[in-house]
Amino acid sequence: EDQVTQSPEALRLQEGESSSLNCSYTVSGLRGLFWYRQDPGKGPEFLFTLYSAGEEKEKERLKATLTKKESFLHITAPKPEDSATYLCAVLGASYDKVIFGPGTSLSVIP
Amino acid sequence: ETGVTQSPTHLIKTRGQQVTLRCSSQSGHNTVSWYQQALGQGPQFIFQYYREEENGRGNFPPRFSGLQFPNYSSELNVNALELDDSALYLCASSLDLAGGRVYSDTQYFGPGTRLTVL
Repeated sequence: EDQVTQSPEALRLQEGESSSLNCSYTVSGLRGLFWYRQDPGKGPEFLFTLYSAGEEKEKERLKATLTKKESFLHITAPKPEDSATYLCAVLGASYDKVIFGPGTSLSVIP
Repeated sequence: ETGVTQSPTHLIKTRGQQVTLRCSSQSGHNTVSWYQQALGQGPQFIFQYYREEENGRGNFPPRFSGLQFPNYSSELNVNALELDDSALYLCASSLDLAGGRVYSDTQYFGPGTRLTVL
């Protein structure tokens, strides 16, 4: 069965302290892996789509990478405004649904 | 460009009642998906509509149903509400150019409707 897990569940960083979030997935034929950012009480905001192992994408302080079993969201020199829950989602070969992970709650302390 | 909007923002219902949630897709988008997000969890896929027909469904019972209208706005209907239906309901729209494939490159989410069932 297709599955997505994320670690850590919560992460607390000092401003400027770089780190990585992990998304591990089990899916029959990955068609796409997606990263979203979600602020409390709001809808998810799209960040990246990755399609194949070895692919990387960057946006400001964020960089997403993909292997055959997992994806990492690297955060370089984070700022307090980067505090949010980061969600990972996958689409498998069946194309019939998107599966989200539980998310990682990131807090960046000034 | 108009983003995805949802109404109402908050809703309180009692067990056994029925509820209708509404979504207006982003301008130019032809596909809409609905998700249920319980507190502290990731969104769970309910179903997707493309050109007014359901073309993908998650593990939700038939009392969850939907509609998509010619202007690409959408409704989520839930009958016989249960306490566990309390959640944030999210609508996401996208432009599908592959003739009904479930997921195109980018889904844009609305702000959600917070449903509380007492």
